[in-house]
Amino acid sequence: DAGVIQSPRHEVTEMGQEVTLRCKPISGHDYLFWYRQTMMRGLELLIYFNNNVPIDDSGMPEDRFSAKMPNASFSTLKIQPSEPRDSAVYFCASSTHGVRQPQHFGDGTRLSIL
Amino acid sequence: GENVEQHPSTLSVQEGDSAVIKCTYSDSASNYFPWYKQELGKRPQLIIDIRSNVGEKKDQRIAVTLNKTAKHFSLHITETQPEDSAVYFCAAIPGNQFYFGTGTSLTVIP
Repeated sequence: DAGVIQSPRHEVTEMGQEVTLRCKPISGHDYLFWYRQTMMRGLELLIYFNNNVPIDDSGMPEDRFSAKMPNASFSTLKIQPSEPRDSAVYFCASSTHGVRQPQHFGDGTRLSIL
Repeated sequence: GENVEQHPSTLSVQEGDSAVIKCTYSDSASNYFPWYKQELGKRPQLIIDIRSNVGEKKDQRIAVTLNKTAKHFSLHITETQPEDSAVYFCAAIPGNQFYFGTGTSLTVIP
């Protein structure tokens, strides 16, 4: 089991640029979660999917953020246009059989917007 | 919505001593309470979880207790070791949402 795979591990870009973060969940997991972690706000749930369908996106900060899951093995989180305050570590996690189950996190993407 | 408070924010203990971290929640519908450990620069990893139908769960040196009436749950680590040093997050799940505490930075002093 390769675990949850995120790419890139690090991203540095200038404000205004489009940023795309990628996630491959554990095979067979039907729930996928996107989180943002900052010192100020801690770990925040942004959005989660069940069977590739977005279930709750109430944590998405604003319209500049969008997430998709075109198939069971791939998801993207996109920020367009990016701003310095978007700098954070973004984690993807997956689980099976619901939100009341252990989540397996990826190694995260450290995003820096200059 | 749910409000999860976690205390203390930082905790230092001598190696071999016990550490206790407490979380309180507000939504009585919460029925799943996981604890995650995050080492510096690493991903959060589940260390133990408890559901609302039990009051205590133990796994070697780690235990979690739940008091549904008072709406609080606690993580207990006994015989602490330097490798227990990390940030610990609690979470409470009512319905289909997921709420994390603000984290406790635990330092175990050799």
